[in-house]
This record gives sequence, C-alpha cells and structure tokens, in this order.
Amino acid sequence: DTVLTQSPALAVSPGERVTISCRASESVSTLMHWYQQKPGQQPTLLIYLASNLESGVPARFSGSGSGTDFTLTIDPVEADDTATYYCQQSWNDPTFGGGTKLELK
Amino acid sequence: EVQLVESGGGLVQPGRSLKLSCAASGFTFSNYYMAWVRQAPTKGLEWVASITNSGGSTYYRDSVKGRFTISRDNAKSTLYLQMDSLRSEDTATYYCTRVESPFDYWGQGVMVTVSS
Repeated sequence: DTVLTQSPALAVSPGERVTISCRASESVSTLMHWYQQKPGQQPTLLIYLASNLESGVPARFSGSGSGTDFTLTIDPVEADDTATYYCQQSWNDPTFGGGTKLELK
Repeated sequence: EVQLVESGGGLVQPGRSLKLSCAASGFTFSNYYMAWVRQAPTKGLEWVASITNSGGSTYYRDSVKGRFTISRDNAKSTLYLQMDSLRSEDTATYYCTRVESPFDYWGQGVMVTVSS
C-alpha cells in the first residue's frame, strides 16, 4: 500500500497563509486529492488531481505537487477553516493520510 | 443535486452480519464507480471497497476480503455492503461515496458498532 504522511496538527491565526504537506511513500504522479472534514460531518472534496479546485470551493484553497510531495495551501485562513484535512491517492488501491488538524489561534 | 443516503447501521455482536444500503439520487448512478469508506471513532479515513459502474468488478482492502461484499442495483440506484463475520475493529462510521478518481460526493455516514 502507498503510505501517505501528514503532520498531525497546525495552529495559525486568521488572515495568515498555511501550508499542509502530504508525502507519499512512492510516486503517485498527480493522482492526489484533498478533503476537508469538520467535526461531526462527512468529508468534502477540495482539490482533485493535485491542483484542480473542486467546483464551489473558495479560491483561498489551492494545491500543488507531483510525484511524492504535495501541498495544500489556504491563503488567507478564515475561522471557518477549522477542520481536519486529509490527502488521498488514487494511483493504486486508495489510501488516505492520517489527517492534519487545523486550529485557529 | 447529488444525494447519497446510507442506512442499515447499528449495534451487532462479533461474528454476526449486517448489510448497509446507500440510496443515490441526482445523477446517473449507472455511469459511476462507487465505494465505501469508513472512519473508526476519533480515527482517520480508510477505504473499504469499490465497485465498477456495471458491477462487473469489485475491489477490497485486505482486512475485509472474504468477509465483506460490495454490490449494486443500478435499476434502484442503490449501493450495498454486506458485512459478515464482523469484528470489533470494524466499528466505524461507513460512508458511501461516488468515485470520479477522487471520492467526489459523500453520504452523511452510518454508524456500525461491533460489540458483545
């Protein structure tokens, strides 16, 4: 299985720029996607195929990367962005990162 | 509007069976692969199984192979997950998802608790 590694938590102030990283144990090309999950809710798709913004998602969110290193950027961060963010690869059997919990100061 | 509504969850004893359903609407169900993704309490997301749009091929994570069966009824726009020989480690919220390389739509989820 392709293992995806994310930092467990981040704390930022509203208005700042935040980057959330995801490293794959092998190359997944650009078959990487990002989801947001707020407490008690189902995940929602933010970014697909590494850098494509899902319809309806604010342009504050962006994604980049290829191969093994990927980044989700939120700029500027808003209070409503408090959530856990997951990366997921679809190069082979789907796997998810452990999630990065974003808290606002 | 795409909607995915899961049902069939509950409390079940270890070794017993449970069948989840997911009613889909708002899109042409027969055109899409579908999948189940689960999340144990306070844990991360874990893919469980996928099925092609025709139902002709299915895929499972190793820990559920031989115990879980994913299926679909395109005439009813419904996805299923038959879960047999349930274990405590299967306790989780199970999400029905539409597959478009990413999982682009998710249901609200249904809780399955395996406990004596």
